[in-house]
Amino acid sequence: SQTIHQWPATLVQPVGSPLSLECTVEGTSNPNLYWYRQAAGRGLQLLFYSVGIGQISSEVPQNLSASRPQDRQFILSSKKLLLSDSGFYLCAWSLRGTYEQYFGPGTRLTVT
Amino acid sequence: GQQVMQIPQYQHVQEGEDFTTYCNSSTTLSNIQWYKQRPGGHPVFLIQLVKSGEVKKQKRLTFQFGEAKKNSSLHITATQTTDVGTYFCAGVWGTYKYIFGTGTRLKVLA
Repeated sequence: SQTIHQWPATLVQPVGSPLSLECTVEGTSNPNLYWYRQAAGRGLQLLFYSVGIGQISSEVPQNLSASRPQDRQFILSSKKLLLSDSGFYLCAWSLRGTYEQYFGPGTRLTVT
Repeated sequence: GQQVMQIPQYQHVQEGEDFTTYCNSSTTLSNIQWYKQRPGGHPVFLIQLVKSGEVKKQKRLTFQFGEAKKNSSLHITATQTTDVGTYFCAGVWGTYKYIFGTGTRLKVLA
């Protein structure tokens, strides 16, 4: 069966510091991968999606970037965090050619 | 830009009462999905609707996709305390263009 991992579970970072969140999927090949952000009490905002290694599509302009160095690894990064980057970051995957998404446990980021 | 509005934002019901949440999109969708997020948890996929006018049932849950593929609803019959959570619709347009609704937070009073 497929499993999706995200770490860390929680993170507190000062403004201006860098960020690296990692997501890995097990039990499937060539998945579509997604990064979302959820502000407290709000809906999900799609940040990036990837249909293959090195292929990243950005949905929202911001100071975040994403990379997919391996087939089942998706990384969300920032060089300098802003207060507005606080939120719940969720990674998700779907089978190639399908739209049903399966979410990881998420990372709660607080920028102070 | 494209938007998906979801109403109501909150709903408190007595256990055993019915519950309905509605999604309305500003654009025609290729498909729509529904997710449930428990407090402190991550969204969990419930169902996907693809065809115009489609109706699907999962036990006490009934999902509908409008004829114009711009609106959808989720109806829960005889709510239980295990139904507590936030229900999100997610509209898909284009290729992997997801727009999540604002969510409806359901509280069930025992």
